[in-house]
Amino acid sequence: GQNIDQPTEMTATEGAIVQINCTYQTSGFNGLFWYQQHAGEAPTFLSYNVLDGLEEKGRFSSFLSRSKGYSYLLLKELQMKDSASYLCAVRADAGNNRKLIWGLGTSLAVNP
Amino acid sequence: GAGVSQSPRYKVAKRGQDVALRCDPISGHVSLFWYQQALGQGPEFLTYFQNEAQLDKSGLPSDRFFAERPEGSVSTLKIQRTQQEDSAVYLCASSLGEHPTGANVLTFGAGSRLTVL
Repeated sequence: GQNIDQPTEMTATEGAIVQINCTYQTSGFNGLFWYQQHAGEAPTFLSYNVLDGLEEKGRFSSFLSRSKGYSYLLLKELQMKDSASYLCAVRADAGNNRKLIWGLGTSLAVNP
Repeated sequence: GAGVSQSPRYKVAKRGQDVALRCDPISGHVSLFWYQQALGQGPEFLTYFQNEAQLDKSGLPSDRFFAERPEGSVSTLKIQRTQQEDSAVYLCASSLGEHPTGANVLTFGAGSRLTVL
């Protein structure tokens, strides 16, 4: 089957660093996405990894290990506005199947 | 338009009523997805269009759910005889090409929140 696991909730302090993990077990792999979703708003794209390694984009970085079925999103210099849900999604195409398999999301609370 | 637009943002329906949710994707985007998102959950795939062709409807939960994109741009998700379990946020997303990638980003609308009483 297809499965994506990420922690349900995390708490961190303003200015700190937090790492949100995502593990996946899918029938195929063609890329992993991280999206940020504030309450009541649309998910917005953060990062995409298709090859092993670290992708850095400002305060946010995303890492992928395909052999381990593992990714993490690293948020540095946390700000209050980073309080949101962080969704991990895997593209597991097979033929015409273009579905993204989504995790349940990690709700991050940043405290002052 | 500049982003994916969905309407209505909020819809309250009585059980048994039919509802129609509209999605206006980014102009020129080939791919269009509908997702259902329950509170505190990730998006659940409903259906996928490439232009006007509905290539995958395997996520539609029952035959009460129907989606169309007749001219390859605006899409409508219709739910007939709504039930309380249909209460959720319905998200629409589009991307320029066939496959979402880092360069071909899947862009979401703000969603339509449906409450069935």
